[in-house]
Amino acid sequence: EAGVAQSPRYKIIEKRQSVAFWCNPISGHATLYWYQQILGQGPKLLIQFQNNGVVDDSQLPKDRFSAERLKGVDSTLKIQPAKLEDSAVYLCASSLVGSNSPLHFGNGTRLTVT
Amino acid sequence: AQTVTQSQPEMSVQEAETVTLSCTYDTSESNYYLFWYKQPPSRQMILVIRQEAYKQQNATENRFSVNFQKAAKSFSLKISDSQLGDTAMYFCAFMNRMGGTYKYIFGTGTRLKVLA
Repeated sequence: EAGVAQSPRYKIIEKRQSVAFWCNPISGHATLYWYQQILGQGPKLLIQFQNNGVVDDSQLPKDRFSAERLKGVDSTLKIQPAKLEDSAVYLCASSLVGSNSPLHFGNGTRLTVT
Repeated sequence: AQTVTQSQPEMSVQEAETVTLSCTYDTSESNYYLFWYKQPPSRQMILVIRQEAYKQQNATENRFSVNFQKAAKSFSLKISDSQLGDTAMYFCAFMNRMGGTYKYIFGTGTRLKVLA
């Protein structure tokens, strides 16, 4: 099966600019996650979708971050305006619904804000 | 709230030797799952092994095995016959069902370097 696809792989922007990341999950995976991974830390959940509904966005900085999942498949994560502390790897993961389904991750997008 | 602690930021091991990575967690739940994920320099997180809390038998996947101590809330990963390709960040993760969805908490990771 094809894995989780993410793009771009790298992005460098200046602070106060905007940026968007794209994720295509594994076909049939109803649950989609966006994680932020700051260098030297573990992934931190930003937002979790089940189909096209948000089930957890409690740690999403909503004043600057937004995400959507159209038609319960692809998802985009946007940052506007970016801050220096947003420099991180943004990981997308997907899974089937159910306790026996692990997370499948994409390769991530490394964002550098200068 | 659940927490996951990995107390070893970095470890190294000689090729073909055995190494154990530590993980402890805190939860009041009785039903949950534990995972070890590997993140090589390519950045893609890959599932190494998982353990269901209701199972007493420790999970094993080829050269990877766990020592799951439920009472002590400990979940260590043993890598036998270490290979150069095992060099990576290793993350311990806790998962349980909350409010109809499954929630994951990750530790801060252990950087493992396998030496030739």
